[in-house]
This record gives sequence, C-alpha cells and structure tokens, in this order.
Amino acid sequence: AQKVTQAQTEISVVEKEDVTLDCVYETRDTTYYLFWYKQPPSGELVFLIRRNSFDEQNEISGRYSWNFQKSTSSFNFTITASQVVDSAVYFCALSEAPTGRRALTFGSGTRLQVQP
Amino acid sequence: AAGVIQSPRHLIKEKRETATLKCYPIPRHDTVYWYQQGPGQDPQFLISFYEKMQSDKGSIPDRFSAQQFSDYHSELNMSSLELGDSALYFCASSPGTGGTDTQYFGPGTRLTVL
Repeated sequence: AQKVTQAQTEISVVEKEDVTLDCVYETRDTTYYLFWYKQPPSGELVFLIRRNSFDEQNEISGRYSWNFQKSTSSFNFTITASQVVDSAVYFCALSEAPTGRRALTFGSGTRLQVQP
Repeated sequence: AAGVIQSPRHLIKEKRETATLKCYPIPRHDTVYWYQQGPGQDPQFLISFYEKMQSDKGSIPDRFSAQQFSDYHSELNMSSLELGDSALYFCASSPGTGGTDTQYFGPGTRLTVL
C-alpha cells in the first residue's frame, strides 16, 4: 500500500529564513508520481510541482526548490528567503499511475508559519 | 486560465438531510476526482470518473453517490447526512486518467451539518 509521511506537523520561521519541508513515501510501484500542494488559509489547494519516479533531477522555481532522492524515498521541498505569504499548509502527495491507484494519497501536511 | 468550478461554496444542512455538490472541470479535462477534507486532516479520496464512467473508488460512504454527465460536470449526492460529514469537499480535474497528469483542484465546498 502507498503511504506518504510528513513528520513535521508545524514549522515556524522568521521572514527571510530558509525552510525545508520533509516528505517520505512508500510504494511498491516502480512508476509513480509525487506532488506538492499548498493550502493557504483561504482553503484552496494549489498545485506546486509534479515529479515522476524516473526523473531524479532536482528542480528550482524562483524561491522554491525540490530534492527528489529515490534511494531514501524522499521528496523534500525548500523555500529560500521565506515570506509571510508562504504561510500555509503544505501537502506532499503520491499517485501510483499508470497501473496503481491514480488518486492522490496525501501526507498529513506541514503547517508553515512565517513570522514578519 | 479557466479553473475548476464548484458550487455551492458553502452549504449548511441539518442531520438526515440530503445535499448535492456540483463540479465543473477545466475545459477539455475528462477526469474528475472527489476528495473530502475533515478539519485539520489531509484530503481523502472518495471517487473518480473518466469519460462518464466510474474509474476508481476510495473511502466513499454508501450514503454518498456520484456521477459524471455528458458535459463532464460531476455531482456528488449525499444522503442521510451525519455530523461527521461536515468537511471541505474538493473536486479536482485532470486531462487524462493515466495518473500522469496533474490534478487541479477547485476551491472546495464547505459543508456544515448541524
């Protein structure tokens, strides 16, 4: 069965600090997809990134970067120079496409609070 | 760009009543997913549809049913509502059922059962 673990329940940082959100996953499939979603206080779920299991290349998008390591089954998310607007709950998620469960299995989320 | 539309955004019902939630996917997206997010919880998958057929089923109670119509919009019907059904209900759409495509979420419907 697939499982996503986000061990950090809540993180509080001061603006301009860097912060890393951890995500560890379990799956029996060799082909799978990993995602990060952001849920701000307004409640919507905002897609941030998708990574497939064959692509371990790290990715950077502005202040956001992602580190995917199959050897440790981790897909960590780093925010550089955090801002108050980054305050949200961040979910890591997994889908076992194309042969397994395509629906997303979410981790329990990490609440990030960025203090001014 | 067009996003997923959900209606209503807020809904208040009494116990044992019924509720219908609607979802309009992004144009040209043929797969719809429904998720339930309880307070302080992560979203839990309920059910999905591809080309108007049920494609996958999660932890959806028997009191709930759903369908996808010819215009690809979907409705989640909930009967005999219980206090525990109070949650944020998300609909997501993607351009294919292969799971290789990103699911884009609507703003959610907040259901409160009194």
